[in-house]
Amino acid sequence: GAGVSQTPSNKVTEKGKYVELRCDPISGHTALYWYRQSLGQGPEFLIYFQGTGAADDSGLPNDRFFAVRPEGSVSTLKIQRTERGDSAVYLCASSTTGGLTDTQYFGPGTRLTVL
Amino acid sequence: KNQVEQSPQSLIILEGKNCTLQCNYTVSPFSNLRWYKQDTGRGPVSLTIMTFSENTKSNGRYTATLDADTKQSSLHITASQLSDSASYICVVSAGNAGNMLTFGGGTRLMVKP
Repeated sequence: GAGVSQTPSNKVTEKGKYVELRCDPISGHTALYWYRQSLGQGPEFLIYFQGTGAADDSGLPNDRFFAVRPEGSVSTLKIQRTERGDSAVYLCASSTTGGLTDTQYFGPGTRLTVL
Repeated sequence: KNQVEQSPQSLIILEGKNCTLQCNYTVSPFSNLRWYKQDTGRGPVSLTIMTFSENTKSNGRYTATLDADTKQSSLHITASQLSDSASYICVVSAGNAGNMLTFGGGTRLMVKP
C-alpha cells in the first residue's frame, strides 16, 4: 500500500516569504507527526496530531510555525516570514493510533532552503 | 531534558565485517527504544523496537540490546553489506501521550567493498 508522502520534495524560498509543506499520511492512521531534521542531526519533534486536533505542539520553535489537519488526514505545516535558520528537512510520520509501541512510518521529507 | 546520545558519530568498515553502534539515553519515563535506519534523502525506517522488559531483539542481521538499568542500547550488525551504508538512529519514547520520540544524532555507517 502507499506510504507517507510529502510535497514538495524540495522547496527553495527567500528570507521573509511564506511556505506550506504538505503531508499525506497512510490511509486510516489517526496519529500524525511533524519533525525537523538539520544536516547531520537526528529529527526533532515539532507537533503531533490525533485526528484533527493538535494534541501536542510543544516542539514548534515559535509562532511563525503553524500546522493544520482539518479533516484528520492530510496535514499542512505553514511557516511565516521564513528565516535562514529554518532551512532543514521537514519529516512527516504517521502511526495507526499514536500508541506507545506503534511504529511511526516516515515520509521522504521536504528539504526547505531559505536563501 | 530528555536526551539520546549515540557513538560513534561515524564509522567505516569493510564489507563482511561486523560492527556495534552505541546509544545512551536519559529519557523519563521510559516506554520503549527503537533503532531506525535512514538512507540518504529518505525518511527513517524502523528496524527494531524494545520495551522495558526486553533486552534483545533481532531483525535479520541486526541485533539490538537494551540495558534499562544503565540506560544503554547497542545495535550489532553482522556480516555487513554495502547496502547497510546509512545513518542509524536510536530513538526513545518517553511514554507520554502520543508517543513523541526523542532522537539521537545518529551514527553514519559506511561499508566499503
